[in-house]
Amino acid sequence: NAGVTQTPKFQVLKTGQSMTLQCAQDMNHEYMSWYRQDPGMGLRLIHYSVGAGITDQGEVPNGYNVSRSTTEDFPLRLLSAAPSQTSVYFCASSRQGGGYGYTFGSGTRLTVV
Amino acid sequence: SQQGEEDPQALSIQEGENATMNCSYKTSINNLQWYRQNSGRGLVHLILIRSNEREKHSGRLRVTLDTSKKSSSLLITASRAADTASYFCATDAGYSSASKIIFGSGTRLSIRP
Repeated sequence: NAGVTQTPKFQVLKTGQSMTLQCAQDMNHEYMSWYRQDPGMGLRLIHYSVGAGITDQGEVPNGYNVSRSTTEDFPLRLLSAAPSQTSVYFCASSRQGGGYGYTFGSGTRLTVV
Repeated sequence: SQQGEEDPQALSIQEGENATMNCSYKTSINNLQWYRQNSGRGLVHLILIRSNEREKHSGRLRVTLDTSKKSSSLLITASRAADTASYFCATDAGYSSASKIIFGSGTRLSIRP
């Protein structure tokens, strides 16, 4: 199994541009989440989903949109990139119901200039 | 603000010694998880402890949970160079579905040869 796959691995954007970070998992996990990690810091939750068609906001949702049309995919959209969104973005998935750890992707390193 | 706070922020020990990291959290939880992150990589799930458990073991890892003090500790025994990484605690912040996982700020562990 591939686990959680994130693309691209690296991206440079200009201020004001939009883009979509892709996340796909092949483990049939119901739960999926997006986090951002700034240098030397922990992870902050952006958006999360408990299943296809259901999403909710995390700790830092402003400037980001998500949708979950299938169980496998959970793309994160940056609407109008800002330098403050320079960060490493991680996607993670888990079985539902609690009591299970999350499987993380390898991350997307985004720089906004 | 983040749900969990790890202490210390950084820890350097000699190979073979034991490493202890602490995590304090703010709200009631259903479970608490510990993750490891090697430099530049995604997070790896280490262990999960439920709110009705006081101690759990996995190999060289020992986790304790004190819900009355809202704190947890991670003990790594007989440390190895490969244990050099950042360690994060994460909680469900009381959400019964455990679909929303919030991370602490992490402890950077360095193992000296």
